[in-house]
Amino acid sequence: SQQGEEDPQALSIQEGENATMNCSYKTSINNLQWYRQNSGRGLVHLILIRSNEREKHSGRLRVTLDTSKKSSSLLITASRAADTASYFCATERGSTLGRLYFGRGTQLTVWP
Amino acid sequence: NAGVTQTPKFQVLKTGQSMTLQCAQDMNHEYMSWYRQDPGMGLRLIHYSVGAGITDQGEVPNGYNVSRSTTEDFPLRLLSAAPSQTSVYFCASSLQGEEETQYFGPGTRLLVL
Repeated sequence: SQQGEEDPQALSIQEGENATMNCSYKTSINNLQWYRQNSGRGLVHLILIRSNEREKHSGRLRVTLDTSKKSSSLLITASRAADTASYFCATERGSTLGRLYFGRGTQLTVWP
Repeated sequence: NAGVTQTPKFQVLKTGQSMTLQCAQDMNHEYMSWYRQDPGMGLRLIHYSVGAGITDQGEVPNGYNVSRSTTEDFPLRLLSAAPSQTSVYFCASSLQGEEETQYFGPGTRLLVL
């Protein structure tokens, strides 16, 4: 079964706006990672946040993690048309290092 | 470095046929994985390897076999293809240890008729 669930399933915004995607998971984790997938392509790693971290930044990306609620959010600021893609959260558990459990993803569309 | 490569890019099989999906990486990564992605779904782990000679099952292993004779290669075998195995298959690799980023191949699109 999927470990993570993203919300919303689809998000449509204008260029320049911020995009927020949420991820919930079920079991304790070592870390949570966000990946991006352009249509018909493989996944590309965006950012990793450890279970003892609460917030992390990378360029226009901001990730938060709330282990008490078993949830994470990915914020993309000042979005661009090139950000159009599917975004997946994936969790790594302590008992199964190196294995990732993915959610169903959020399809982000950014209109010029 | 070529990174993670997968062949073929696209394959059509008839029910009952067998085939091998190839995956290779040139980054000397210990960990390698196979995932499948179905429409509207995230990736689900099929099989996993932490090094040459060591493999383990993931979430959806039935109907698939793997072996890891070298660090570089991790082929996925479909023993008797079924329409339910129509999917996009991704291979990934990473260094050993916690919090290591996984690098994904471009995928193999498989259609089983």
